[in-house]
Amino acid sequence: DAGVTQSPTHLIKTRGQQVTLRCSPKSGHDTVSWYQQALGQGPQFIFQYYEEEERQRGNFPDRFSGHQFPNYSSELNVNALLLGDSALYLCASSLGDVGASYEQYFGPGTRLTVT
Amino acid sequence: AQKITQTQPGMFVQEKEAVTLDCTYDTSDPSYGLFWYKQPSSGEMIFLIYQGSYDQQNATEGRYSLNFQKARKSANLVISASQLGDSAMYFCAMREGPNSGYSTLTFGKGTMLLVSP
Repeated sequence: DAGVTQSPTHLIKTRGQQVTLRCSPKSGHDTVSWYQQALGQGPQFIFQYYEEEERQRGNFPDRFSGHQFPNYSSELNVNALLLGDSALYLCASSLGDVGASYEQYFGPGTRLTVT
Repeated sequence: AQKITQTQPGMFVQEKEAVTLDCTYDTSDPSYGLFWYKQPSSGEMIFLIYQGSYDQQNATEGRYSLNFQKARKSANLVISASQLGDSAMYFCAMREGPNSGYSTLTFGKGTMLLVSP
């Protein structure tokens, strides 16, 4: 049973560029949440996708956008990259419409460096 | 105000000893959940233990137990018989609102635990 997978593992971009990060949820999960973890900090919630729509959003600018595909995989896009966007980006999956499930399964993350 | 506070940036413990990692939280929602995650240097967040706000007993999972003091709004993680492999960052996190797969988590800043031989 495959867990949450993310690609790429590492990425180096230049200020002003655009980046796309990818996430495949755990088998059977339909909800994907994205978190940003700056160095020395805890993860911060960016947004969540369910049924191909953004269901919830944290306090992040519109430069951060996402998408969910029919197979539940998801992409995180960041436009006009800033140095402050350098972070570990974590994807977490869960089963949205269950209620009793409390676990979110995290992927290994994508480490983005903006120079 | 911070919703999750972890006051210990770093903790040191000798192998086989017990260690307590502190976490206090702030919420006005009567229904919430508290989580502890371990993050090794590889980056993946590993779920350790969960405590619901209505749970009567403290949660336990193997060597991990959660010391839940609701009135004090604290949810400390206790690791018994520390092992070298326990060296990692530990995060306390909270879900506000009823249990749901749509829940999002608010994390503290973490505590780095180093276990020495």
